[in-house]
Formats: sequence, C-alpha cells, structure tokens
Amino acid sequence: GENVEQHPSTLSVQEGDSAVIKCTYSDSASNYFPWYKQELGKRPQLIIDIRSNVGEKKDQRIAVTLNKTAKHFSLHITETQPEDSAVYFCAASLAGTYKYIFGTGTRLKVLA
Amino acid sequence: DAGITQSPRHKVTETGTPVTLRCHQTENHRYMYWYRQDPGHGLRLIHYSYGVKDTDKGEVSDGYSVSRSKTEDFLLTLESATSSQTSVYFCATGKESNTGELFFGEGSRLTVL
Repeated sequence: GENVEQHPSTLSVQEGDSAVIKCTYSDSASNYFPWYKQELGKRPQLIIDIRSNVGEKKDQRIAVTLNKTAKHFSLHITETQPEDSAVYFCAASLAGTYKYIFGTGTRLKVLA
Repeated sequence: DAGITQSPRHKVTETGTPVTLRCHQTENHRYMYWYRQDPGHGLRLIHYSYGVKDTDKGEVSDGYSVSRSKTEDFLLTLESATSSQTSVYFCATGKESNTGELFFGEGSRLTVL
C-alpha cells in the first residue's frame, strides 16, 4: 500500500535560520501533497499544499517543492521564529481514492 | 475552524469493554475520517467514509468498526478495547475527494487499562 516516509523526526534550529523537512512517497499515482502543523495539545492544521502538476509553491516564509520523478517533496521554512515550534506532518493522497496517508511527523524546535 | 466536535474528549476504560467515540460536524462535508496518533507513528488512518453508509478500511482498522447513518455523525467503535488501543483519536472531515484540506476535531484521548 501507499507509504509516506518523513525525515528528520526532530529538528532544532536557531531563530532566524531555515528549516527543511523531507518526505518521500511510494505510489506514483499520488497527486496531492499537503503539510500540516500541530502545536502542542492542538489539532493539526493545514499550512500549505501542492498538487502534482506544480513543482513549487510559496506562501510568505514557507514553501513546498515537489519532485515527481524522485517521488519526494519538501517543506522549507525561512527566517524561523519561536512560534514555528511544532510538529509538522506531510501527507499524500492516492489518486482515485479518498485516502490521505500521513508521514510520522517532525518535531521542530526553534531556539531563541 | 470547521465545526467539528468529538466526544468524549477524554476517556479511561478497562480492557475488554466496548467504547464508542463520536464525531459531529456542522459543515456538511461529504468525507470523514478517523485517525489515531501515537508517538513515532504520526497519524494513521483507521477508517474513512465517503458518504452516508459508505465506509472503508484504512491502514490500521483491525479491532475498530465505524458507522455513518447521517452526514453529520461518524462513530468509531472499539468492540473490546485493548491496551494497544490507548491513543489520541482524531476525526477529520473534507469537502473534496482527495485534493483538499482536511479539517480536524480537537482529538479524544483514550486510555485502556
């Protein structure tokens, strides 16, 4: 079945530095790749997504890139701030189904 | 946030007892999902629904059943709870089939002793 691998599991960066989280997916028919942020004790919330017909998407300090050939996509956060500290999940959805499969999560700590 | 509420929010039960978690939405979203969240495993799909009375299994469906008798409610049942089912359970809803945002409930923390 579909599998999504996410790395690293934890990431610590200094405030103002950039953070990169990477995911790979197994099903080449996957066509939608969202990223969710979960603050401590809260529900996951969508922060950015990308569809398979687009290579890159940016929204202020966050961006996502997609490499369909290699079947991987990445989240980039620039100029990190303490409020970026959270767990980030990547996901992939299977074309023709209603399933969203999530990665195992990355705990990002931004050190002031 | 979408109007998604889960109940109960916290529950402690004993091994072998039945447990039902309820997800209620006021957004008229067609798609509903149950995930469990465990350290090191992220969010794993248990069951999902693509319409009233239309459900299917996810990655970790063993020991769980679901029902959706109306658009707004999606029930998750553990027929005989085990300690391995201790987890945080999240309900989610979606408007689109597989290319849209999922809206999550607040989560239900279940402890099976």
